[in-house]
Amino acid sequence: DVKVTQSSRYLVKRTGEKVFLECVQDMDHENMFWYRQDPGLGLRLIYFSYDVKMKEKGDIPEGYSVSREKKERFSLILESASTNQTSMYLCASSLGRAEKLFFGSGTQLSVL
Amino acid sequence: GENVEQHPSTLSVQEGDSAVIKCTYSDSASNYFPWYKQELGKRPQLIIDIRSNVGEKKDQRIAVTLNKTAKHFSLHITETQPEDSAVYFCAASRRSEKLVFGKGTKLTVNP
Repeated sequence: DVKVTQSSRYLVKRTGEKVFLECVQDMDHENMFWYRQDPGLGLRLIYFSYDVKMKEKGDIPEGYSVSREKKERFSLILESASTNQTSMYLCASSLGRAEKLFFGSGTQLSVL
Repeated sequence: GENVEQHPSTLSVQEGDSAVIKCTYSDSASNYFPWYKQELGKRPQLIIDIRSNVGEKKDQRIAVTLNKTAKHFSLHITETQPEDSAVYFCAASRRSEKLVFGKGTKLTVNP
């Protein structure tokens, strides 16, 4: 089974802190994604990557950046955390572009 | 870009009844339509998907239908069980492009 692992299940940070969310997949998938999940708003795409060192903005990229130095690892960076970034963050990977997504278990981030 | 509308936002049924969730999409070029199930506290998981070259697909108690002309697709769950209680997300995409998700439907199956 594909495993997508997110480094933290719960994270509490202060406003203005730089926050790193890490995601690692073990199935040699080309594509990796970061979503944000808020009640009533569904899954919103923040950034995605179709290849190493490649990144593309999703629907809500403001206040975020990403890094993909290795194929298996995709990091989401909050440059200066704000309270409106309190949310559940889900990482996902897929073999092909319009193919099944495998999600991580999520990181619940609270920014105080 | 693509826009996906999902209805209803909440759905409550009695065990054994059927449940139907509907999604509409805006981009007529979209050709891939998956459905994800997210149980409370767990990650979303793909339960069924359909591509635009077929009109219906079934897997045991779940089925998805696609109407390309009307640009809508639906998830049907028959003989619902308490373990079907979850949030269900539909999504749509063009070939080789990113998925766009609906806002989700919280299904509650009452014993």
